[in-house]
Amino acid sequence: GAVVSQHPSWVICKSGTSVKIECRSLDFQATTMFWYRQFPKQSLMLMATSNEGSKATYEQGVEKDKFLINHASLTLSTLTVTSAHPEDSSFYICSAMTVAEAFFGQGTRLTVV
Amino acid sequence: KQEVTQIPAALSVPEGENLVLNCSFTDSAIYNLQWFRQDPGKGLTSLLLIQSSQREQTSGRLNASLDKSSGRSTLYIAASQPGDSATYLCAVRKGGATNKLIFGTGTLLAVQP
Repeated sequence: GAVVSQHPSWVICKSGTSVKIECRSLDFQATTMFWYRQFPKQSLMLMATSNEGSKATYEQGVEKDKFLINHASLTLSTLTVTSAHPEDSSFYICSAMTVAEAFFGQGTRLTVV
Repeated sequence: KQEVTQIPAALSVPEGENLVLNCSFTDSAIYNLQWFRQDPGKGLTSLLLIQSSQREQTSGRLNASLDKSSGRSTLYIAASQPGDSATYLCAVRKGGATNKLIFGTGTLLAVQP
């Protein structure tokens, strides 16, 4: 199947700093990528849809100024958590779709201290 | 609004047993349904994809069925092994202008050796 690479797999940052997470589709082009957040023992919550060359579409309740998304090429989308706070600590996962099927990155464990 | 539910939330079985995981969705207008596996702290691995026009898909010891009219899908795992222990998630895709995946609540499976 197609491969989606997410980096870093884990990151620890100080409160108030910003963190960037990258999501790459390695063997296919993805005009649309998705960013999810997952709390412990819960399912995935869609945060936003990343569109190549245009603005991301955010789900209700997700702060677009807090979670900046950039999709500058057909193989790369980035999520930047700005001015991170401990409540932003979570597991973030990206996804990209081929014509029919969704593939997911390995996830990023963010811990804000 | 599409809602996806998985039953049971957790399941523990002895090695070798056959088991069934259930997924139900409220809106039958889906494009496809995908079953995923998630190991602790990891991303999602796609297991099976069923198009809306299909009734079932098989891969090795896994068989997934889809009854769109009743809003149900099942994942059958034959001859379970300890390595099957993970969280299993189903997700439905609406299709059309949106490619969003709506995830179920997940089933945590433990296969005891």
